[in-house]
Amino acid sequence: GAVVSQHPSRVICKSGTSVKIECRSLDFQATTMFWYRQFPKQSLMLMATSNEGSKATYEQGVEKDKFLINHASLTLSTLTVTSAHPEDSSFYICSAQGTPRDTQYFGPGTRLTVL
Amino acid sequence: QKEVEQDPGPLSVPEGAIVSLNCTYSNSAFQYFMWYRQYSRKGPELLMYTYSSGNKEDGRFTAQVDKSSKYISLFIRDSQPSDSATYLCAMSARGSARQLTFGSGTQLTVLP
Repeated sequence: GAVVSQHPSRVICKSGTSVKIECRSLDFQATTMFWYRQFPKQSLMLMATSNEGSKATYEQGVEKDKFLINHASLTLSTLTVTSAHPEDSSFYICSAQGTPRDTQYFGPGTRLTVL
Repeated sequence: QKEVEQDPGPLSVPEGAIVSLNCTYSNSAFQYFMWYRQYSRKGPELLMYTYSSGNKEDGRFTAQVDKSSKYISLFIRDSQPSDSATYLCAMSARGSARQLTFGSGTQLTVLP
């Protein structure tokens, strides 16, 4: 299957700081990337969808000013959690879809802990 | 009612057993059906991808889709301890490039 990487895999930060998470498609061009959030023992919750070169589309209830998404190239999307608070602690997962792939491939996830 | 229903388990089986995992859905527009495997603290890994009704086999895994009943299944033959994970069904209406609707996941443990 296709390879999608995420960096960092784990991050611990103080409340009020901003954290950037990178998502890269390593062997294909990702025209669309998705960002998910997952709480323990729960399924994935879609946060936003981003197409290369366009503004991200956020799901209802997701604050776009808090979760900044940039998809500037066909292989890289970033999620920045601004002014993080303890309630933002979660497992963040990206997925990528593009040519010639025809389905979503997920990254390994980033565990964010905000103290 | 959720669009996709999946029994969360947990499900425990002995090594070598045949495992059956299922999802039901309500949206008749769904045409693309996927099964993902997720190990603890890892991202989901695509196992099977099927379009419309029918069966698809890949090694020990068989995916079945019955659109008339709005029911999909994943069978795992000769289950192994390494199959222990959470299995998520997912589906979309217009190709997996579109947003996926996930089941809640079934936690499977294969006992050696």
